[in-house]
Amino acid sequence: NAGVTQTPKFQVLKTGQSMTLQCAQDMNHEYMSWYRQDPGMGLRLIHYSVGAGITDQGEVPNGYNVSRSTTEDFPLRLLSAAPSQTSVYFCASSKRDYYGYTFGSGTRLTVV
Amino acid sequence: DQQVKQNSPSLSVQEGRISILNCDYTNSMFDYFLWYKKYPAEGPTFLISISSIKDKNEDGRFTVFLNKSAKHLSLHIVPSQPGDSAVYFCAATDSWGKLQFGAGTQVVVTP
Repeated sequence: NAGVTQTPKFQVLKTGQSMTLQCAQDMNHEYMSWYRQDPGMGLRLIHYSVGAGITDQGEVPNGYNVSRSTTEDFPLRLLSAAPSQTSVYFCASSKRDYYGYTFGSGTRLTVV
Repeated sequence: DQQVKQNSPSLSVQEGRISILNCDYTNSMFDYFLWYKKYPAEGPTFLISISSIKDKNEDGRFTVFLNKSAKHLSLHIVPSQPGDSAVYFCAATDSWGKLQFGAGTQVVVTP
């Protein structure tokens, strides 16, 4: 029972590079979300999805893209990395109408 | 514009005593509230939740209280144990499943 799997665990990018953070869940959850955690800011919602083919923006969507082509996968794309995107990123999933989201273990991203 | 606020960044409590964590929210459309616990280098884990139609929910040592008129909720941990030392996040959601978090409160339980 893998739960929510995030890859990679660590990544260093140069300013301007692009990359995709992967997130997969094997619990057949409808809802999936991406958060970033920064000191003193808590967890801020980047994008979320309530089902395959449906995504919406959260509090801090600029610089990030998402798509949800399957129930299992919800990748987060950084289009052109900036130092301000240095953070820890968490993916989470939940069943519809039950909001106890299950979180992955996170991706620590550093942009230099 | 954070709609969920935890104004105490840290809390120190003696083992065996009560820990009280507070959370305020501004969005009246929130209808479900949750508390998460987070250890370093791990993802947050769900602790306890409460629906907006209730004012109290208990689960073992953890109790969450909701005051809708004041847009305020609190988490009580009784008795506090060393393993409770972690960051606690308050979160809220509306019926669309968009979960928003507060900034967190670092709890340290001392012997």
